Amino acid sequence: AQSVAQPEDQVNVAEGNPLTVKCTYSVSGNPYLFWYVQYPNRGLQFLLKYITGDNLVKGSYGFEAEFNKSQTSFHLKKPSALVSDSALYFCAVTTNAGKSTFGDGTTLTVKP
Amino acid sequence: ETGVTQTPRHLVMGMTNKKSLKCEQHLGHNAMYWYKQSAKKPLELMFVYSLEERVENNSVPSRFSPECPNSSHLFLHLHTLQPEDSALYLCASSQMIGQEAFFGQGTRLTVV
Repeated sequence: AQSVAQPEDQVNVAEGNPLTVKCTYSVSGNPYLFWYVQYPNRGLQFLLKYITGDNLVKGSYGFEAEFNKSQTSFHLKKPSALVSDSALYFCAVTTNAGKSTFGDGTTLTVKP
Repeated sequence: ETGVTQTPRHLVMGMTNKKSLKCEQHLGHNAMYWYKQSAKKPLELMFVYSLEERVENNSVPSRFSPECPNSSHLFLHLHTLQPEDSALYLCASSQMIGQEAFFGQGTRLTVV
């Protein structure tokens, strides 16, 4: 069975500082990995994905994520956080069979 | 605007009512999904359709009944719901199963 773990329910950072939101996964076969963001009372928005190729993936709003096969991780990063980045972030994994599993989400709060 | 539209945005229904949630996607995608998002279980996949055929049913109670009349529309028919069914119901679509999903804004359902 595949699974996704987001070990931190909450991440707090100061505006301008770098941020990291952690994600680890467990899956048979090659994973497709995704990050989504959810603002209050809205649906999820796709941020970025890793399918194959370069381990460092760049996405929307200045976010990037690094795929680490040996550590089975796909942490979301941003060099300089903005207050407007405050939201709920979900990591997801999909296999080539098409089954998607989402993590429980991490609430990011960026303080001015 | 993601190209996935859900109606209504808010719904309050009694336990004996019958109602339907509607989802429409204008992206030409082949896969559509229903998710339930609640405080206790952040994101649960309920149903998956690919090319109008249901491909996954994650042990969802029969009081939830999906319908996919064509590749652009997805319905979730509700009857004799319980208060614990109160949640945000999200529809999503993707080009193919397993690819990045585009979500609607959700229907906030309250069962009284």
